[in-house]
Amino acid sequence: EVQLLESGGGLVQPGGSLRLSCAASGFTFINYVMSWVRQAPGKGLEWVSTISGSGANTYYADSVKGRFTISRDNSRNTLYLQMNSLSAEDTAVYYCAKGRGTSVSCADYWGQGTLVTVSS
Amino acid sequence: DIQMTQSPSSVSASVGDRVSITCRASQGISSRLAWYQQKPGKAPKLLIYGASSLQSGVPTRFSGGGSGTDFTLTISSLQPEDFATYYCQQAASFPLTFGGGTKVDIK
Repeated sequence: EVQLLESGGGLVQPGGSLRLSCAASGFTFINYVMSWVRQAPGKGLEWVSTISGSGANTYYADSVKGRFTISRDNSRNTLYLQMNSLSAEDTAVYYCAKGRGTSVSCADYWGQGTLVTVSS
Repeated sequence: DIQMTQSPSSVSASVGDRVSITCRASQGISSRLAWYQQKPGKAPKLLIYGASSLQSGVPTRFSGGGSGTDFTLTISSLQPEDFATYYCQQAASFPLTFGGGTKVDIK
């Protein structure tokens, strides 16, 4: 059974940093792209970032480029999102999602989400 | 970037109704389209990928169609557990983009 468990969310001040983690199990982690998708309170879904199975290729939404860094540790089956220079606009539930394939693809499994609140 | 436009933004329907939701891409995406269902406080769930392929475990009352720029999600006979918000997403190129969502609620 595929399981994705996010952690690391919480309250952070504007300008601060946070690192999210997503522990994956139930599939061969290195074989799939992984993504982060966020949802601001009461809003729709927004794709944030995707990383290839090997970790060699990364992709970012313009809204987070230069501030967020996606990475993965295939030995630990864990996905990360390092978030710097946070602002109120980054307040959202952040979901970890497994890609259906090895490149650009939709997400067939999602974690339960972790809430990030940016506020003073 | 590819813009995804869903319509309607909300629909009121009764159990047993046939409901259709449309999604339009700002440029051709072949069949690289997915549909998700999201219930309040829960993560999205993949329903359809490749525009028309049913994800494993999803009831057959859900179906998807279309290619190029115009796509449709149809629920053939709405069930109580189907009241939710539905999103389309293009998976043709980065940045990945979602439609604005369609809320299906009880008439």
